[in-house]
Amino acid sequence: DSGVTQTPKHLITATGQRVTLRCSPRSGDLSVYWYQQSLDQGLQFLIQYYNGEERAKGNILERFSAQQFPDLHSELNLSSLELGDSALYFCASTVREDSYNSPLHFGNGTRLTVT
Amino acid sequence: AQSVTQLGSHVSVSEGALVLLRCNYSSSVPPYLFWYVQYPNQGLQLLLKYTTGATLVKGINGFEAEFKKSETSFHLTKPSAHMSDAAEYFCAVSYSGGGADGLTFGKGTHLIIQP
Repeated sequence: DSGVTQTPKHLITATGQRVTLRCSPRSGDLSVYWYQQSLDQGLQFLIQYYNGEERAKGNILERFSAQQFPDLHSELNLSSLELGDSALYFCASTVREDSYNSPLHFGNGTRLTVT
Repeated sequence: AQSVTQLGSHVSVSEGALVLLRCNYSSSVPPYLFWYVQYPNQGLQLLLKYTTGATLVKGINGFEAEFKKSETSFHLTKPSAHMSDAAEYFCAVSYSGGGADGLTFGKGTHLIIQP
């Protein structure tokens, strides 16, 4: 058990809809990372927050947004969903602002299916 | 920019045989290298990491990897495969000063263990 909790585990929704994915980081971790995993693209970094502030952006679409709350949990909002957004979305946390020397602790992911 | 190439999207070995998963990286500065494992329906967990110092790194579950700067490689090995090793393995790279944008992952190698 990594200590990172993601909810829900599965989400099925229709095109055009909006969903929110939730992540509770490991106790004591201040950084939260969001990744998208798909068969064709592999693991793609989306966005990172550290202690409530956005720190880095990766391949995140404008239709997607995220935030980290004072209690350090994070939410990833996906809107105007398209079939291609179907993927496994992972949250990972680490204690430091950067991850270059400290391992990421991953949640079990949320599997999003857009129909 | 840094990148990771994992040779072979699928590797099949017999139980008890040597496991060799290949990873080559591209980084203009000294890298930090990681191997993560993903079991079905789970998030990624850290197997081992190389930061500085000894180039042969030992990880969990009997895995080890050797950093070879001249070959820009960080191959993962295990002397004797076990059925429980069947999983997806990801090589990842980052570097000091690279910013808070998480790790760059390879596409992954699916390890199949034949009985």
